[in-house]
Amino acid sequence: KAGVTQTPRYLIKTRGQQVTLSCSPISGHRSVSWYQQTPGQGLQFLFEYFSETQRNKGNFPGRFSGRQFSNSRSEMNVSTLELGDSALYLCASSLRQGIGRTEAFFGQGTRLTVV
Amino acid sequence: AQSVTQLGSHVSVSEGALVLLRCNYSSSVPPYLFWYVQYPNQGLQLLLKYTSAATLVKGINGFEAEFKKSETSFHLTKPSAHMSDAAEYFCAVSRSPITFGNEKLTFGTGTRLTIIP
Repeated sequence: KAGVTQTPRYLIKTRGQQVTLSCSPISGHRSVSWYQQTPGQGLQFLFEYFSETQRNKGNFPGRFSGRQFSNSRSEMNVSTLELGDSALYLCASSLRQGIGRTEAFFGQGTRLTVV
Repeated sequence: AQSVTQLGSHVSVSEGALVLLRCNYSSSVPPYLFWYVQYPNQGLQLLLKYTSAATLVKGINGFEAEFKKSETSFHLTKPSAHMSDAAEYFCAVSRSPITFGNEKLTFGTGTRLTIIP
């Protein structure tokens, strides 16, 4: 069974550009969450999608957005990139099987460097 | 609001010695608690989770953790450290029960474990 797949693994962008990151969840998983990991701020929640709807959102500016498709694949987009957006972006998928029966499986992440 | 505090950003133990990584939580509702491990340039791998069943939770790679409500703690232990345990460990909390909109994990700042040969 394939795990969570994130593409690309590494990305270098210039300030002011925009970027789109992709996440394919584990087959059958319908919930996808995104996290940003930086040395200074640690792991921070960006947003969660379930059934193509954003269910929860972290404290990030509007430049960070996401979406989920009918096959549960998700993308996140960052517009007008800033140097501080350099980070490891992690995607996690989980299976909703009733209350309490869920755990998040993480992908290997996309390392974004903004220069 | 929920939060976790990991005491000690760096922990070093000798190979074969006891590993103890500390995590204290703060939650206004019964929490679900998790330990994840991250190897260099990798994502997060779940070690174990507490979801209000048994207070002593056994995970992968010989790790276990005990939920102590009176101490608001969920410390991670392993009786005998192995070189392959060198990694960064994260404690995380989420709301219980997990329903729509409650998938969010709040992570601690992490503890980097070094194993001394």
